Amino acid sequence: DAKTTQPNSMESNEEEPVHLPCNHSTISGTDYIHWYRQLPSQGPEYVIHGLTSNVNNRMASLAIAEDRKSSTLILHRATLRDAAVYYCILRDLLIQGAQKLVFGQGTRLTINP
Amino acid sequence: NAGVTQTPKFQVLKTGQSMTLQCAQDMNHEYMSWYRQDPGMGLRLIHYSVGAGITDQGEVPNGYNVSRSTTEDFPLRLLSAAPSQTSVYFCASSYDLYTDTQYFGPGTRLTVL
Repeated sequence: DAKTTQPNSMESNEEEPVHLPCNHSTISGTDYIHWYRQLPSQGPEYVIHGLTSNVNNRMASLAIAEDRKSSTLILHRATLRDAAVYYCILRDLLIQGAQKLVFGQGTRLTINP
Repeated sequence: NAGVTQTPKFQVLKTGQSMTLQCAQDMNHEYMSWYRQDPGMGLRLIHYSVGAGITDQGEVPNGYNVSRSTTEDFPLRLLSAAPSQTSVYFCASSYDLYTDTQYFGPGTRLTVL
């Protein structure tokens, strides 16, 4: 499985944008880039995913580098509720067992009031 | 929709005891899975099921059994609990193998003494 690398922790201020980086230099052409987050004492929740083009939804934006070896999750205006561990995960939906999400250690995001 | 529910929320066992962690979903999802999360770590896949009557092993299956007799339920059995199984257990489900979003339950915190 292709691996991802994320910073262990990041800190930002409330109402400011947050850019969470993820490196995936061994990504294959059919790997989708997924982001999940885990709020304290809760199960993970889906944030966003993409393949090649940048993606936007109500929670965040995903910017994917042209060579796909890195991506950035963008929270446009962080709130205290966005404090969580953010996981960047690669999934090849074409292979058997693709539903097996492989979680790394993620990035712990702290939001200061 | 209740989503994915897990019971109990907390459990303390003695070494050698057995128990079943319950997981249910009311979204008619075919795919269900169990993960464990140890302190400061990402989630690791224990077992998964692609439909009623079909289960398979994940990354860390030893010491756990599963069955899937209905679409809604996917219980996880600990046959003889060991302290190494102290962890938080999460159940997840998704519509099918090719759906991008997995929905997680709130977790069961298990302590084995």
